[in-house]
Amino acid sequence: DAGVTQSPTHLIKTRGQQVTLRCSPKSGHDTVSWYQQALGQGPQFIFQYYEEEERQRGNFPDRFSGHQFPNYSSELNVNALLLGDSALYLCASSNGQLRGYTFGSGTRLTVV
Amino acid sequence: SQELEQSPQSLIVQEGKNLTINCTSSKTLYGLYWYKQKYGEGLIFLMMLQKGGEEKSHEKITAKLDEKKQQSSLHITASQPSHAGIYLCGAVAGGTSYGKLTFGQGTILTVHP
Repeated sequence: DAGVTQSPTHLIKTRGQQVTLRCSPKSGHDTVSWYQQALGQGPQFIFQYYEEEERQRGNFPDRFSGHQFPNYSSELNVNALLLGDSALYLCASSNGQLRGYTFGSGTRLTVV
Repeated sequence: SQELEQSPQSLIVQEGKNLTINCTSSKTLYGLYWYKQKYGEGLIFLMMLQKGGEEKSHEKITAKLDEKKQQSSLHITASQPSHAGIYLCGAVAGGTSYGKLTFGQGTILTVHP
C-alpha cells in the first residue's frame, strides 16, 4: 500500500521564480495538508484541501496557493520566490477521521 | 492559537539508557500525535493519543496523555542508536476531526553506542 508520494524530492529555484510541488495521498485518504518546515523548526501549516476546496489556511501570504484534483492529489504553488521560502515542504494526507495524518518524505526547495 | 513546547530541545544518551521527552500545550489537548523525523526527511507516525490518561506503547516507546496537565510524554526504554532522530509532537486544535496540526519545535535525540 503506497503511502504519501511527493515530487520532486529536491528543487533549486532562483529568487522571483515560481514553483509547483506535487502530492499523491495515501490510498483511502481524501484530505491533503501542506506544511513548510524551516531548518531546526517544527512544520508550519500552510493549508488543507478537502473536496477540491481549501478548507483551512495558515498564516502564509497569497503567494502560496494550492489545488486538489478529483483523484485527491494536490499541488502547492509558490509565486515570486523569496530566499526565505527555502525549506522542506511536507504533504500530509488523512481521511477526515481522527486516525492520524500520514506524511510524505517531503520536497527540499532551495531558493538562490 | 495553540502552542506546543517540547522539552528538552536536545538529548544525548548512552545506548541502553531510558529517556523521556515532554510536550506541553498552551490549550486543552483533544488529540496528540507523536512523530519521528530523520534529518531532512518526512515524518514517521509513532502514536496518537485521544483521551486523557490514555497510554500507548509500540516496541520500546510509550506515550501518555495527561489531559489535566495539558501535557504528553514520550518514554523510550533501553534506547538504541536506531532511536536517534527528531521527535515531534503535534496537536489538532478544538477537538475537530480535521484541521491543522500544530507542532512543537522538536527534540533532537542522539544515542551513542
